[in-house]
Amino acid sequence: DQQVKQNSPSLSVQEGRISILNCDYTNSMFDYFLWYKKYPAEGPTFLISISSIKDKNEDGRFTVFLNKSAKHLSLHIVPSQPGDSAVYFCAARRSGGSNYKLTFGKGTLLTVNP
Amino acid sequence: DAGVTQSPTHLIKTRGQQVTLRCSPISGHKSVSWYQQVLGQGPQFIFQYYEKEERGRGNFPDRFSARQFPNYSSELNVNALLLGDSALYLCASSTGRYSNQPQHFGDGTRLSIL
Repeated sequence: DQQVKQNSPSLSVQEGRISILNCDYTNSMFDYFLWYKKYPAEGPTFLISISSIKDKNEDGRFTVFLNKSAKHLSLHIVPSQPGDSAVYFCAARRSGGSNYKLTFGKGTLLTVNP
Repeated sequence: DAGVTQSPTHLIKTRGQQVTLRCSPISGHKSVSWYQQVLGQGPQFIFQYYEKEERGRGNFPDRFSARQFPNYSSELNVNALLLGDSALYLCASSTGRYSNQPQHFGDGTRLSIL
């Protein structure tokens, strides 16, 4: 059962425009969400996170929005740059005894065209 | 500061062999987690160690084992290798078990089973 879902395997945007990557989750016990970026032959790099007590978190060009009622989060990148081209993973962690474990989606390949 | 370091970067083994993968966390990080990533999927949780004790285990067979040393470095061992164990093995470290701090990943060990 895929508890974290990234339904778009790929996304292509023009340089300078907004990139919106989406993520849905099914487990209501998840209370901390993270986005990672991964280049080929490298490990995932932490981008931004959000706690379930918030609905928005910003860091420079990156903003994460959380809609708890819809069990949906999104990552906005504005403006998009060619160097942002990578696979983006959404991850979630649940509260309680097993909160050490991150559950990942399958990833979305973002391509930013010059 | 050095990030999470993993060794070796690549490894080729044959079925039935045993393998040991190594991880050094970021300085000051006491928690180390291991993940397996197969092509087209997000990372899957294998183990977490904190203060040299196993704190969590994912849905992996007993052929997988790990340990953490007094300096917080860690080893992942896989016995009786199967073709399906071919994957990227990622190590991640964080400051503590329950802190709402992100896990930071190394670049992984690419394990190929022939």
